[in-house]
Amino acid sequence: DGGITQSPKYLFRKEGQNVTLSCEQNLNHDAMYWYRQDPGQGLRLIYYSQIVNDFQKGDIAEGYSVSREKKESFPLTVTSAQKNPTAFYLCASSFLGRGGPEAFFGQGTRLTVV
Amino acid sequence: GQQVMQIPQYQHVQEGEDFTTYCNSSTTLSNIQWYKQRPGGHPVFLIQLVKSGEVKKQKRLTFQFGEAKKNSSLHITATQTTDVGTYFCALIQGAQKLVFGQGTRLTINP
Repeated sequence: DGGITQSPKYLFRKEGQNVTLSCEQNLNHDAMYWYRQDPGQGLRLIYYSQIVNDFQKGDIAEGYSVSREKKESFPLTVTSAQKNPTAFYLCASSFLGRGGPEAFFGQGTRLTVV
Repeated sequence: GQQVMQIPQYQHVQEGEDFTTYCNSSTTLSNIQWYKQRPGGHPVFLIQLVKSGEVKKQKRLTFQFGEAKKNSSLHITATQTTDVGTYFCALIQGAQKLVFGQGTRLTINP
């Protein structure tokens, strides 16, 4: 089945530790995105990538890092520099193209830092 | 970059009542997308609007893009409990930066 997979679904970490969230897609999509969602809040863009080995900061990139070594994969690292890392993280992907093609989302990872 | 304001933030209705959420921009938009996120779930694409004055329907859902392409609306006729969730508008900024409005959370009293 084609789709976008995030793992793990739930993640617990101690304060001060870096943690990497996985995002894999087999939809042959060019663009990939990471969003953060806090309870009752909207989606805020962390990073996005249009092609392999290239990515751009979104609106809240501080304290996060990404890589795009393969078209299928776009892992997100939440570093110890992120002051409030506890949140719901969503990965998405889409084809490139005019008119803004639809984005497909993974199931999300709920990160809790204690 | 372009931003969109989505109103209202919350809406509670009785089952069977209508519901509308609005997405407004101060600048002209090239396109607008709408997504639905069920409680505990992930956003799911509903539709994309591109043309000025465009109106599209999906069963009880009606989507409109303003004539000036600065606003859009999603109207649900005769809400059902399955309509519960948060509705987001979204737009592409620049090449491929997909940004979302704040969302409207819809709750329904059965």
